Amino acid sequence: DVKVTQSSRYLVKRTGEKVFLECVQDMDHENMFWYRQDPGLGLRLIYFSYDVKMKEKGDIPEGYSVSREKKERFSLILESASTNQTSMYLCASQTGLVYGYTFGSGTRLTVV
Amino acid sequence: ELKVEQNPLFLSMQEGKNYTIYCNYSTTSDRLYWYRQDPGKSLESLFVLLSNGAVKQEGRLMASLDTKARLSTLHITAAVHDLSATYFCAVDVLQGAQKLVFGQGTRLTINP
Repeated sequence: DVKVTQSSRYLVKRTGEKVFLECVQDMDHENMFWYRQDPGLGLRLIYFSYDVKMKEKGDIPEGYSVSREKKERFSLILESASTNQTSMYLCASQTGLVYGYTFGSGTRLTVV
Repeated sequence: ELKVEQNPLFLSMQEGKNYTIYCNYSTTSDRLYWYRQDPGKSLESLFVLLSNGAVKQEGRLMASLDTKARLSTLHITAAVHDLSATYFCAVDVLQGAQKLVFGQGTRLTINP
């Protein structure tokens, strides 16, 4: 089975801090994604990457950046965390057209 | 812009009853996915529907896809309490690169 691992389940950070959320997949997939999930707003795509060093903005990229230096690792960066970035963050890896997408366990980030 | 709409958004039902969740989407796609999410948890893949007329069944859940109508359904048969969760449909589209666009989710509560 494909495994998508997010390094932290819960994080509490202060306003203005630089925050790194890490995601690792173990199947050499090219496509990886970061979503955030908020009550009433569903899942919204922040950034995605279709290869090493390649990235594309999703629907809500403001305040975020990403890094993909190695194929298995896709990092989401909050350059200067703000309280409106308090959310559940979900990483996904595309398993292929037949099997779809596999999601990590999620990181619940609280910015205080 | 692709829109994916689920209805109902909230559903409370009795054990033993049948019900259907609907997922409409606004652009051409041959790939649709259903996910389940338990409170505080990540997304668990339920079904991958890859072509018009596709039907998949797992236990008390059955999903179907009509690409001409741009409609997918998730049917619950003889509901049991363990099926209480939030269910999401998501459509796979090519917009620059491959990505998933989610419906708002249907929160299903099954009462004994």
